[in-house]
Amino acid sequence: GAVVSQHPSRVICKSGTSVKIECRSLDFQATTMFWYRQFPKQSLMLMATSNEGSKATYEQGVEKDKFLINHASLTLSTLTVTSAHPEDSSFYICSASDQLSDRTQYFGPGTRLLVL
Amino acid sequence: SQQGEEDPQALSIQEGENATMNCSYKTSINNLQWYRQNSGRGLVHLILIRSNEREKHSGRLRVTLDTSKKSSSLLITASRAADTASYFCATDTDSWGKLQFGAGTQVVVTP
Repeated sequence: GAVVSQHPSRVICKSGTSVKIECRSLDFQATTMFWYRQFPKQSLMLMATSNEGSKATYEQGVEKDKFLINHASLTLSTLTVTSAHPEDSSFYICSASDQLSDRTQYFGPGTRLLVL
Repeated sequence: SQQGEEDPQALSIQEGENATMNCSYKTSINNLQWYRQNSGRGLVHLILIRSNEREKHSGRLRVTLDTSKKSSSLLITASRAADTASYFCATDTDSWGKLQFGAGTQVVVTP
C-alpha cells in the first residue's frame, strides 16, 4: 500500500515554543491530507483538512491560529503547533489519500508531542 | 465529532477463536473503512467497503455493511496473538474523503 511518513516521531519542547510536524506521501500524490489528534486510549479526532495550494479547513473547536497548516506541494503538508502548552501534548497523526486510486486513506506513524 | 459507535469497547479472546466487532453510524456514507492500531503507533488500513457493497474479505478478515441499518461488522477468524490491537471503523461521508472515526474496540488475544 501507499506510504505516508511523519517527522519527527517524537518531540519534547518547552511551553511557549512552536513545533513543526511534517507529513509526506512517499509514493503517491495527495491533493488532500488530513490531520488528527489522539489522546491516550481515545479515538482519533479530525483537526483539519489540508488541501494543496489552498487554505486548510478546520473542524469546529480547532484554533486555526494555534495549529497552522501548510500544504505546499502534492507530497508535503506541515502542522505547526504555535506557542505550545502542556495541554497540547498529544499524539498527532496525518493521513493522505491517493486521488488516482480509491478513497483509501493511508496514515502516517504519528508524532508524539510532549510539552513541558 | 465522532460519527460512529463501536461495540464492544473491549474484547478478550484466546488464540484460534473468532473476534467480531460492530460499528454503527448516523449519516449516509461513501464508504466505510476499518483500521488497526497497535499501542502508540499509526493506523494500518485493513479494508474499505463501498456503500454499494455488502460484504468483503481480505485474508482472515471479513467485513459486512448494512446501509439500511447503518452498521458494519468486522470479523477476524482464527485469531492470533499478533492481532492484539485497537480496531477502528471510519466513515467517509463527504467529497473530500474526510473520515469520522468510531470509538474503537480494544482486542486482546491471549496465547
